[in-house]
Amino acid sequence: DIQMTQSPSSLSASVGDRVTITCRPSQSIGSYLNWYQHKPGKAPKVLIYAASSLQSGVPSRFSGSGSGTEFTLTISSLQPEDFAIYYCQQSYSTPWTFGQGTKVEIK
Amino acid sequence: QVQLQESGPGLLKPSETLSLTCTVSGGSISSDYWSWIRQPPGKGLEWIGYIYYSGNTNYNPSLKSRVTISVDTSKDQFSLRLSSVTAADTAVYYCARVLGGTLPPYYYYMDVWGKGTTVTVSS
Repeated sequence: DIQMTQSPSSLSASVGDRVTITCRPSQSIGSYLNWYQHKPGKAPKVLIYAASSLQSGVPSRFSGSGSGTEFTLTISSLQPEDFAIYYCQQSYSTPWTFGQGTKVEIK
Repeated sequence: QVQLQESGPGLLKPSETLSLTCTVSGGSISSDYWSWIRQPPGKGLEWIGYIYYSGNTNYNPSLKSRVTISVDTSKDQFSLRLSSVTAADTAVYYCARVLGGTLPPYYYYMDVWGKGTTVTVSS
């Protein structure tokens, strides 16, 4: 199985801050990397697919980059509704695997 | 707009079989892949498996001996069965639609999710 390691595990940030989350798979996965936002009690929501493609309806402050063994999710200006847990997920090979999550909290 | 809704018993005893159904509304199940994912309390997301509308399946090897995913296109539903459950199977279970494009490379991702249903295994 491909192990997905996210960093940091949690972070505190203020509204308006630029936030970057990193995801490192245990082997190269090309661009087969997706990012999800998950709020308690709600369904996860895809933000980015194929490493850098913005899902329809997702605000442009979210962006994804990277390929191979290092990927980043960037929130250019953190908004109050962005406080959540973020997961990366690889679809390069089954079993599809998720990172352990990054909790973004209010500073 | 496609919506998904999970349904099924919320409480099971050890050794019983978990059975959940995901109902697709606002669209047809007769296209794309459909997946199950779970999240144990305090833990991250775990992919269980997926099914193509034609019936082809792919399961997580960690659960493969106990899991069956099936589809009923006449009802726009797909289902999850997990046998011989233990407390470790206690989780919120989500169903999701999988997209990946019509031409290779197929960058699969889960674009629509149900709200999730909590399953507790306890004696």
